[in-house]
Amino acid sequence: DTAVSQTPKYLVTQMGNDKSIKCEQNLGHDTMYWYKQDSKKFLKIMFSYNNKELIINETVPNRFSPKSPDKAHLNLHINSLELGDSAVYFCASSRLGETQYFGPGTRLLVL
Amino acid sequence: GEDVEQSLFLSVREGDSSVINCTYTDSSSTYLYWYKQEPGAGLQLLTYIFSNMDMKQDQRLTVLLNKKDKHLSLRIADTQTGDSAIYFCAESMRGSQGNLIFGKGTKLSVKP
Repeated sequence: DTAVSQTPKYLVTQMGNDKSIKCEQNLGHDTMYWYKQDSKKFLKIMFSYNNKELIINETVPNRFSPKSPDKAHLNLHINSLELGDSAVYFCASSRLGETQYFGPGTRLLVL
Repeated sequence: GEDVEQSLFLSVREGDSSVINCTYTDSSSTYLYWYKQEPGAGLQLLTYIFSNMDMKQDQRLTVLLNKKDKHLSLRIADTQTGDSAIYFCAESMRGSQGNLIFGKGTKLSVKP
């Protein structure tokens, strides 16, 4: 059984659209994360979230918003997609402050 | 600010040892990690070391931590072609829900 899963695996869309990427973990972790990996493979934290606190990387545009319906899910909503949003987005989860386990990634291409 | 540096490329012959180096800047890091990413795949946790340890060994992998120099290394013994991947060093920031700061990754190529 996959510990951290993401859907969809691939997402191709037009500029200006709004899209969501879903993430689910079945590890019983209390903290979830979103990372962005650009075309040069550079990985950067976007958000981290547990039931008490949302930490936002200040470089993330406010078109990106995480939404957590429950502890096992942290979805990523993106409004008004831009070409520069094309990247691989990774979800991860952990117990607070402990080792993070990553999902398989969602490859987003904005045309 | 926080920064993690790695060399971008390493090429070795099959059967040799590989050593991937990493330097970090934040002395308050609690954990330091090595992740592996194969082409088109996600991030696989390889190993990690707590900041009060000097060394950790796990089968073919040896992690060395020099906290004074803020230097971390990953040694892969008897490197195989299946070890070809990008290896990311990451530090876990204290007081930030453990957010990871990643290096730019070292692409390891293993030649037969």
